Amino acid sequence: DAGVIQSPRHEVTEMGQEVTLRCKPISGHNSLFWYRQTMMRGLELLIYFNNNVPIDDSGMPEDRFSAKMPNASFSTLKIQPSEPRDSAVYFCASQGNSRPPLHFGNGTRLTVT
Amino acid sequence: GQQVMQIPQYQHVQEGEDFTTYCNSSTTLSNIQWYKQRPGGHPVFLIQLVKSGEVKKQKRLTFQFGEAKKNSSLHITATQTTDVGTYFCAGPAGGYQKVTFGTGTKLQVIP
Repeated sequence: DAGVIQSPRHEVTEMGQEVTLRCKPISGHNSLFWYRQTMMRGLELLIYFNNNVPIDDSGMPEDRFSAKMPNASFSTLKIQPSEPRDSAVYFCASQGNSRPPLHFGNGTRLTVT
Repeated sequence: GQQVMQIPQYQHVQEGEDFTTYCNSSTTLSNIQWYKQRPGGHPVFLIQLVKSGEVKKQKRLTFQFGEAKKNSSLHITATQTTDVGTYFCAGPAGGYQKVTFGTGTKLQVIP
């Protein structure tokens, strides 16, 4: 079991640039979640998908953020344009049969300068 | 929206002392999950509680779900340095899949 795979592990970019984070969920899992973690706000749910369909994106901060899941084995979270306040660790997690537990990837540490 | 608060935010204990973190939800939960995040790591699932008043044990860890299913606790007996990390409770909001995480309790164990 390869687990949830996220790339890149670290991303440093300048303000205004586009950032794309990638996630490969565990094979067979039908739910995928994107979380953002900061010291100030903790673990925030940004968006989640069920069977590749976005179910709830109410946690997405603003229109600069978008997420897609073109198929069951791949999802992206895009920030365009990026801002320094977007600096955080972004986690992807997947879940099988719409039941706990959540399995997290190792995260992407994003730094926007 | 649903809020899940944990206290304390931080806890420093001497190795061998006990530790407890408390989790309170603004809404009734169908289940409560607990996760542990080591420094620099990602959250890892520990356990799920479903029934009102349920108590589960994992070695030195004891998990409890409140009778009203709005609160939960995690108790660690005789802490060890391997217990260091942040402990999160999490529960579904607005549907079974939308898992909201608590604010977390960061545990530091002093050898």
